[in-house]
Amino acid sequence: DVKVTQSSRYLVKRTGEKVFLECVQDMDHENMFWYRQDPGLGLRLIYFSYDVKMKEKGDIPEGYSVSREKKERFSLILESASTNQTSMYLCASSGNFRGAYNEQFFGPGTRLTVL
Amino acid sequence: AQKVTQAQTEISVVEKEDVTLDCVYETRDTTYYLFWYKQPPSGELVFLIRRNSFDEQNEISGRYSWNFQKSTSSFNFTITASQVVDSAVYFCALSEANTGNQFYFGTGTSLTVIP
Repeated sequence: DVKVTQSSRYLVKRTGEKVFLECVQDMDHENMFWYRQDPGLGLRLIYFSYDVKMKEKGDIPEGYSVSREKKERFSLILESASTNQTSMYLCASSGNFRGAYNEQFFGPGTRLTVL
Repeated sequence: AQKVTQAQTEISVVEKEDVTLDCVYETRDTTYYLFWYKQPPSGELVFLIRRNSFDEQNEISGRYSWNFQKSTSSFNFTITASQVVDSAVYFCALSEANTGNQFYFGTGTSLTVIP
């Protein structure tokens, strides 16, 4: 079974803190994604990566950065957390072999609250 | 412009009723894929089905069925004889051959099945 794990299910941080959200997949997938999910807005893509050390901006990259030093790990970084970044963050991965055909596999999500 | 539209934000049905979740998509690609995911209260998105743009056959899997119609750009999902365990948020998504592995998600439909 494909497994995508995220470092925390729940996280509470203060405004201005630097926040790291970690995601690890065990299926040797090339592609990894970070989304945020907000009520009424669905899933919005923040960043994605097609390969190690490679990153592409998604629809809402402002206020976020990412790091992919190893194939299995994709980190989302909030440089200075703000209250409007309170959200559910979902990580996903997919293989590259069949391109757009491949389904994405999701982690359990991290519910981040910024106070 | 929204590539995937799920006009139904919330639906409530009584157990054993049938329910259809609507999904309308927009793309200029001739090769594309449509997906449905289920997000139970636990939070993790679960892949349900994929359809490619060249296969308009309807699909049935147990109580679930999917109706893909290119003429109306729709990919609707029907649950027959709904059960309480079907209560979840359901997302429709699109991927396009020309944009590779990126998914475009709808805003989701929250289904509540009342016992």
